[in-house]
Amino acid sequence: QSALTQPASVSGFPEQSITISCAGTRSDVGGYNSVSWYQQHPGTAPKLMIYDVLNRPSGVSYRFSGSKSGNTASLTISGLQTEDEADYYCCSYTSNNTYLFGTGTKVTVL
Amino acid sequence: DVQLLESGGGLVQPGGSLRLSCAASGLTFSNYAMTWVRQAPGKGLEWVSVISGGGGNTYYADSVKGRFIISRDNSQKMVFLRLNNVSAEDTATYFCAKHRRLNWNFDSFDFWGQGTMVVVSS
Repeated sequence: QSALTQPASVSGFPEQSITISCAGTRSDVGGYNSVSWYQQHPGTAPKLMIYDVLNRPSGVSYRFSGSKSGNTASLTISGLQTEDEADYYCCSYTSNNTYLFGTGTKVTVL
Repeated sequence: DVQLLESGGGLVQPGGSLRLSCAASGLTFSNYAMTWVRQAPGKGLEWVSVISGGGGNTYYADSVKGRFIISRDNSQKMVFLRLNNVSAEDTATYFCAKHRRLNWNFDSFDFWGQGTMVVVSS
C-alpha cells in the first residue's frame, strides 16, 4: 500500500491558522474513524496529537483540531506558534488489518 | 509515567538477523497492544508490525512480512522484533509504541520510545 498523501510543506505566520490534509482511500481514511496525527520535532520521537479523527489526548493544546470528509482527513493548527514548527504525520487503520502513515508535512512558522 | 526503552540496534550485514527489544514501565503492560514503527534516515514514518495485548494477534506491513517476527513477554513487560534476512532498505530507526487500547485494531499510538538505530551494511 502506498502512503497516505500529505502536502510536503505548509507555512504560516504566528497566530495564523493552517490546515494539513491527508488523502487516502475508502480502504483506509474513508473507511474508518481511526485516523490519528503525530508531531515530530527533529531528533525526537513522534507525539500523538489527535486520535479517532478529532479527539485530543490530555495535555495537547486546544489549538490542534482534526476532522474528516470522505477519504480525506485534516489537521488544523490555530494560533500558530513557533513551537509548532515540526513534521506532522497522519496515520490510518486499513482494511488489510494494518496501519498506514502519511508522507509527512513540514510546518514552518514564518 | 509510561516509559518505553528500545535496545538491540546496531550494524548488521545484508542477509543477517537482529533482535530488537522494547522494555516498558509505568503501565499494566498486558492491557495494551504494541506496535513497531520505523523511520529511514531523512524519511517519513513507516508502520511495521503490531501485536495484541495477549500476543495472539500479529500483523505486518507487506514490506517486512515473512522476514520480521513480533513477539512479547508480558511477565517481563517487553516486546520484541526479530529482523531476518535484512537488506539496505531496512536501515532505519525503529520505534516501539504503545497502543491506546487493548485491541490491536482501530487504534492509535499514545506513547513512544526514543528509538534504536539499525544499519544494514557490509
